[in-house]
Amino acid sequence: NAGVTQTPKFQVLKTGQSMTLQCAQDMNHNSMYWYRQDPGMGLRLIYYSASEGTTDKGEVPNGYNVSRLNKREFSLRLESAAPSQTSVYFCASSEAPSGSSYEQYFGPGTRLTVT
Amino acid sequence: KQEVTQIPAALSVPEGENLVLNCSFTDSAIYNLQWFRQDPGKGLTSLLLIQSSQREQTSGRLNASLDKSSGRSTLYIAASQPGDSATYLCVTGGGGADGLTFGKGTHLIIQP
Repeated sequence: NAGVTQTPKFQVLKTGQSMTLQCAQDMNHNSMYWYRQDPGMGLRLIYYSASEGTTDKGEVPNGYNVSRLNKREFSLRLESAAPSQTSVYFCASSEAPSGSSYEQYFGPGTRLTVT
Repeated sequence: KQEVTQIPAALSVPEGENLVLNCSFTDSAIYNLQWFRQDPGKGLTSLLLIQSSQREQTSGRLNASLDKSSGRSTLYIAASQPGDSATYLCVTGGGGADGLTFGKGTHLIIQP
């Protein structure tokens, strides 16, 4: 059981380049999330998808777009990368949206550096 | 807006000690509280989930308590081991898919 997988694990981009971070879960979860983690700060929600076919902005959505491709996959796209987007990105999934008793399961993260 | 504070930010103790990690939150209207472990360069692993109607949860050497009225949770680790070295995150669930609030974590080092 792979759980939540993310690709790539590491990426270096130049300012202005674009890229897509991929996330997939094999637990048949309804909800998926993208977070970023920066030194000295807690994880912050970028975008989430409460169920297949829906996406919503989180706390820090500027500069990002998402696609819920199907129930398993949720991708995060940086259209024009900026140094401020240097961070560790985590994808997570849960059986239901948070606020219920359901746990969130996290992927291993993508370490992105924008130069 | 919910704020989650974890004290201490860092802790280093000898192997074998029992220890307590503290978490406080400003809005008591939470649905649940979750403790995660994060190893360096890795993702988050869920340790314990306490629903709002519960007072505590236990898993092996770990015990987490929740006092909603005072806005506090503690994670108790018994007989600590070097393998317990990690960052421990406290996370409140406030309702809705965007309702999670993360603390900044306690960085724990268990000295052999």
